[in-house]
Amino acid sequence: NAGVTQTPKFRILKIGQSMTLQCTQDMNHNYMYWYRQDPGMGLKLIYYSVGAGITDKGEVPNGYNVSRSTTEDFPLRLELAAPSQTSVYFCASRGRAMNTEAFFGQGTRLTVV
Amino acid sequence: AQSVTQPDIHITVSEGASLELRCNYSYGATPYLFWYVQSPGQGLQLLLKYFSGDTLVQGIKGFEAEFKRSQSSFNLRKPSVHWSDAAEYFCAVGVSSGGGADGLTFGKGTHLIIQP
Repeated sequence: NAGVTQTPKFRILKIGQSMTLQCTQDMNHNYMYWYRQDPGMGLKLIYYSVGAGITDKGEVPNGYNVSRSTTEDFPLRLELAAPSQTSVYFCASRGRAMNTEAFFGQGTRLTVV
Repeated sequence: AQSVTQPDIHITVSEGASLELRCNYSYGATPYLFWYVQSPGQGLQLLLKYFSGDTLVQGIKGFEAEFKRSQSSFNLRKPSVHWSDAAEYFCAVGVSSGGGADGLTFGKGTHLIIQP
């Protein structure tokens, strides 16, 4: 039972490079989320999606883009990497019913140098 | 907007002692409340959740939490901690608006250290 899978687990980028963090879930969840985690700051919502073709900004969307072409996949794109984007990124998904929790991937640790 | 406060950044407890981690939330209506645990290098695992009904909820690994509306609190407790409980603990509040898709709002976390 895979749940939420994120790739890669680790990545080092140079300033100005771009990359895509991959996230896929096999639970047929409508809602998917991207968070970033910085030391002592908890998790901040970057973007979320309520279903294929629909995305919306969260609390800290600047410097990121997302797409949701299928129910399963919700990639996060960094176009021009900056040191401020050094963080641990978590993808999560949740079913439609309100009384369900979010399931998290294992995270991607990104360092921008 | 909703917010979550975890007043204790670090807590140190002796193995076998009881534990209480504090969580206060700010939200106008009844929120959905969660406690997650994160072991080093890992993702977040749900310990327990509160949506409605009985205000004392039981979770995995022997944890429980009590929702107190009057205090806007959702404190996590365990009667006897084990060394394997050392981890980061996050309280989160979920709210719904429109389609109910809003993400969770997290506290900054409490780092639990277990002394032998």
